[in-house]
Amino acid sequence: QKEVEQNSGPLSVPEGAIASLNCTYSDRGSQSFFWYRQYSGKSPELIMSIYSNGDKEDGRFTAQLNKASQYVSLLIRDSQPSDSATYLCAVTSGSSGNTGKLIFGQGTTLQVKP
Amino acid sequence: DTEVTQTPKHLVMGMTNKKSLKCEQHMGHRAMYWYKQKAKKPPELMFVYSYEKLSINESVPSRFSPECPNSSLLNLHLHALQPEDSALYLCASSLQRADTQYFGPGTRLTVL
Repeated sequence: QKEVEQNSGPLSVPEGAIASLNCTYSDRGSQSFFWYRQYSGKSPELIMSIYSNGDKEDGRFTAQLNKASQYVSLLIRDSQPSDSATYLCAVTSGSSGNTGKLIFGQGTTLQVKP
Repeated sequence: DTEVTQTPKHLVMGMTNKKSLKCEQHMGHRAMYWYKQKAKKPPELMFVYSYEKLSINESVPSRFSPECPNSSLLNLHLHALQPEDSALYLCASSLQRADTQYFGPGTRLTVL
């Protein structure tokens, strides 16, 4: 079992729709959870960080965390073609303590069609 | 400001060359990281520095040699690389270890 799992996609949604990206993780000790967006040929850009159960909203983006289910998701409302990118879920390594080691999922490719 | 800078943007080198990648941040972050990213794969952690001391080496071959001369600078010295080392090399920094990491634009390395 991979430590952080994401559906690789591509996930295709029409412009204006809600895109839902999902991520599960295996380490129950993980404390911090991040979503990064990466355009082709570019570096990862932080979208959201979330540390406690529940929802966190920032503009069109909402991150949801459920530690009991070991599940974190990202909702993108009113999707735009410019949102087309690969979305990386990243989780801190709980078992290694405060090391700074991030475990990345394989990424989900999102395509927003005009 | 969450800017991490990396130079050069692109680097082509032969297998016998010695080159260095440079990363800089002026955000007062005390943790800095090197990652390697191959096409269509997620970033893979190589090294973590915390307070200018190496705290994680993910069993990286010795042909990659990191250096942290001060709290703002991180270098990656390259020597006798192989073609399979061609990748995007990413630097990141965070306030402390386990805090949010901010990535630089990366150096696209090609080894001939």
